[in-house]
Amino acid sequence: TQLLEQSPQFLSIQEGENLTVYCNSSSVFSSLQWYRQEPGEGPVLLVTVVTGGEVKKLKRLTFQFGDARKDSSLHITAAQPGDTGLYLCAGYESGGSYIPTFGRGTSLIVHP
Amino acid sequence: ETGVTQSPTHLIKTRGQQVTLRCSSQSGHNTVSWYQQALGQGPQFIFQYYREEENGRGNFPPRFSGLQFPNYSSELNVNALELDDSALYLCASTEQDRGEQYFGPGTRLTVT
Repeated sequence: TQLLEQSPQFLSIQEGENLTVYCNSSSVFSSLQWYRQEPGEGPVLLVTVVTGGEVKKLKRLTFQFGDARKDSSLHITAAQPGDTGLYLCAGYESGGSYIPTFGRGTSLIVHP
Repeated sequence: ETGVTQSPTHLIKTRGQQVTLRCSSQSGHNTVSWYQQALGQGPQFIFQYYREEENGRGNFPPRFSGLQFPNYSSELNVNALELDDSALYLCASTEQDRGEQYFGPGTRLTVT
């Protein structure tokens, strides 16, 4: 059983569409991070959220941390082919854990 | 500021052999973590080093071992390679108190 469940696993959309990716858990996290990984590369950090209910925006990307700090979402507006990649969430469990747990990722393909 | 680098980029080994993978941390980062990422999966935590001492370990057997050097570069050693060890091996460096990880591009290991 994955500590962090990401959905959907795969997403194939047309340029200009909106999408939302979810990261859910039964555990509480002190912080949660979103990464994007391109084929053959390491994950690149997009954002860190630490406060329940927090919303952060990065251009067309909007990240939200759930009020109870158990879940998070990533919303992309007007997706572009450059958004294609594997989106990973990773969380540090509350209680001082310094070992992050990663979800399996959502593979996004944006067609021109 | 230099980023995280890893070597080699790709490696092919035979079952039973030993392998050493290398990582140079981002300047100013004293913590390095190693991850194994199988195809279609998120990264799985192997272990973390802080100031040359192992600081945490994931669910990997003892044949996975590591070192961190005074300049904060690091090695991952895997003995008695098995076919299931085929994966992308990622290292990530961190400023200990921030928790934000910066990943290298990874080493693709294939065991035949």
